[in-house]
Amino acid sequence: AAGVIQSPRHLIKEKRETATLKCYPIPRHDTVYWYQQGPGQDPQFLISFYEKMQSDKGSIPDRFSAQQFSDYHSELNMSSLELGDSALYFCASSRGEGTQYFGPGTRLLVL
Amino acid sequence: KQEVTQIPAALSVPEGENLVLNCSFTDSAIYNLQWFRQDPGKGLTSLLLIQSSQREQTSGRLNASLDKSSGRSTLYIAASQPGDSATYLCAVWAGGTSYGKLTFGQGTILTVHP
Repeated sequence: AAGVIQSPRHLIKEKRETATLKCYPIPRHDTVYWYQQGPGQDPQFLISFYEKMQSDKGSIPDRFSAQQFSDYHSELNMSSLELGDSALYFCASSRGEGTQYFGPGTRLLVL
Repeated sequence: KQEVTQIPAALSVPEGENLVLNCSFTDSAIYNLQWFRQDPGKGLTSLLLIQSSQREQTSGRLNASLDKSSGRSTLYIAASQPGDSATYLCAVWAGGTSYGKLTFGQGTILTVHP
């Protein structure tokens, strides 16, 4: 069965650089969620989209923005990267109010 | 603000034992609860989802129960195997204006030794 696809899987950036993470949800899933998991931490909700509209916003810094496109894929844009942004970034998708399925994550390292 | 707590933080058992992982949440107004498994440095694998109107869900050797009024859920693993070693996370799904937002517990690190 198709799963959530995230790219890239690993990313190394310098401080103050910009990064773009991509997420391709499971086919026919209409909702995408982004989570950030710091080392040894539980995942923290960042933002979600339902039918290409932002549905909820969590602890997402103003330096980050995201959107969901017409083909339902989503991108998380991160600017002015800081050392503390180093984390595992997960995308999840669901069909309406069903189970959230998580992608393998993008591991971001900011040097 | 919803807070999710998992007990114990770590658990080490011999192969074959039955075990229970506990999850508690402070706000009982949840939409559903989901249990995940995470292997080191890997993604989250959904194990079970329990709707707020349900009492339990079963999948193979796993059984999850939900007592919404008391803010508790348990994950029961029968006949544990070394391959079950992982971190187990519970997450509650808020409804209403926070549609879909999952709030996670800190996880229980499970080690099953042969």
